[in-house]
Amino acid sequence: GDSVTQMEGPVTLSEEAFLTINCTYTATGYPSLFWYVQYPGEGLQLLLKATKADDKGSNKGFEATYRKETTSFHLEKGSVQVSDSAVYFCALTSGGYNKLIFGAGTRLAVHP
Amino acid sequence: EAQVTQNPRYLITVTGKKLTVTCSQNMNHEYMSWYRQDPGLGLRQIYYSMNVEVTDKGDVPEGYKVSRKEKRNFPLILESPSPNQTSLYFCASSPLRISGGGSTDTQYFGPGTRLTVL
Repeated sequence: GDSVTQMEGPVTLSEEAFLTINCTYTATGYPSLFWYVQYPGEGLQLLLKATKADDKGSNKGFEATYRKETTSFHLEKGSVQVSDSAVYFCALTSGGYNKLIFGAGTRLAVHP
Repeated sequence: EAQVTQNPRYLITVTGKKLTVTCSQNMNHEYMSWYRQDPGLGLRQIYYSMNVEVTDKGDVPEGYKVSRKEKRNFPLILESPSPNQTSLYFCASSPLRISGGGSTDTQYFGPGTRLTVL
């Protein structure tokens, strides 16, 4: 079945450091790919998405490119802030359905 | 404000005592679903609904029931809760547009319900 694998955390960075969170997927057909973020005590919210190969999603300084050849959707940010501390989930939908299939989540902690 | 609301936010109960977690959305979305979040497992879908009176099982439906009598509401029912249902639960909603590939629609999540079953 379809699945998402993302790097285990926690990831601990200093403010202004470069961030990469790796995400790879297995899916039949042409999935849509998402990054959701969960701030402490809150629900998930969409960070960015890409719906076809080579698309780049971007939002709030975060970027991810849909790489079909490597089945990857790595999340990057050039300079993280303390306010970026959260849990990040990579996810996909496939087969015409709305069900999101999530990775295990990666906790990011950014220190001043 | 467009939102998904859940109640209660926190609940501690005992084994076997029936409970209901409510979910409501004000965006007129057709699709609603329930997920549970467990450490190291991410979120897994419990049940979903594509419209009023249309519900189906997700990946982990055992021990849960749902109903969709109105478009805006999608309650999750635990008839006889057990300790392995201790988890963080999220309701989500989105438009429903059938496509050949994966849905491209953003899903909107509620704030979560932390359930502890003793």
